[in-house]
Amino acid sequence: GQQLNQSPQSMFIQEGEDVSMNCTSSSIFNTWLWYKQEPGEGPVLLIALYKAGELTSNGRLTAQFGITRKDSFLNISASIPSDVGIYFCAGRSYNQGGKLIFGQGTELSVKP
Amino acid sequence: GAVVSQHPSWVICKSGTSVKIECRSLDFQATTMFWYRQFPKQSLMLMATSNEGSKATYEQGVEKDKFLINHASLTLSTLTVTSAHPEDSSFYICSARDPTYGVKRNEKLFFGSGTQLSVL
Repeated sequence: GQQLNQSPQSMFIQEGEDVSMNCTSSSIFNTWLWYKQEPGEGPVLLIALYKAGELTSNGRLTAQFGITRKDSFLNISASIPSDVGIYFCAGRSYNQGGKLIFGQGTELSVKP
Repeated sequence: GAVVSQHPSWVICKSGTSVKIECRSLDFQATTMFWYRQFPKQSLMLMATSNEGSKATYEQGVEKDKFLINHASLTLSTLTVTSAHPEDSSFYICSARDPTYGVKRNEKLFFGSGTQLSVL
C-alpha cells in the first residue's frame, strides 16, 4: 500500500527559529493535508492542499504541494512555545477510496 | 467548539472484558466515519471505515470480530473492543466526514479527541 515518509522525526529548536518538515510518497496523492496533534487529543487540520505546486499559508505556517504530487513540505516561521506538538502530513488518493494515509509525524519541541 | 465528540476520553479495564467507544458528530450528519489506532509517538493507522446502515470496511490485518463497529445512525458510530487484552492498549481516534463538502473537499474530516484504552 501507499506509504508516507515524514522527516525529521523530531526537532528541538529555539523560540524564534524557523522550522521545516517534509513528506514524500512512493506514489501520487491528490490531496495533501497537514495536522497538528497535542498530547491526548485528536489531530487538528492546519493546511489543506489540492493542486500540484500549490503554496498555501495559514498565519506563520506555509505548506506546498510538490510538483510531482509525491511530496509536500510544511514551514513554521518564528516559532513560539505553543507550536510544540506532533505534526503529521496526510495524503489522500482517489484510487484508494479517499482514505487518508498519515506520515509518521514530526515531534517539535521549542525552547523559550 | 468540537464538532465530533468521542467518549470516553480514557478507560482502564481488566483483560477479557469488552469496551465500547462512542463517536458522535454534533453539527452534521456523518454518513462515513473512520476509526484509527495510534501507539505512543507513532502515526495514526486506519482500522476501519464505518458507513451508516451498512457493514464497516476493515483494513488488512484488523480483526473484525475483535473490533466491532456499529454505525446505526447518521450521528453515531461505536467501536467495541471485545475480550480486550493488554496488547489492545492504545489511543483510539475516530473521525467523521461532513458530506456537505463533497468528495474533493473531504478535508472537512473532523477528528474526535481520542480514547486512551489501558487493559490490565
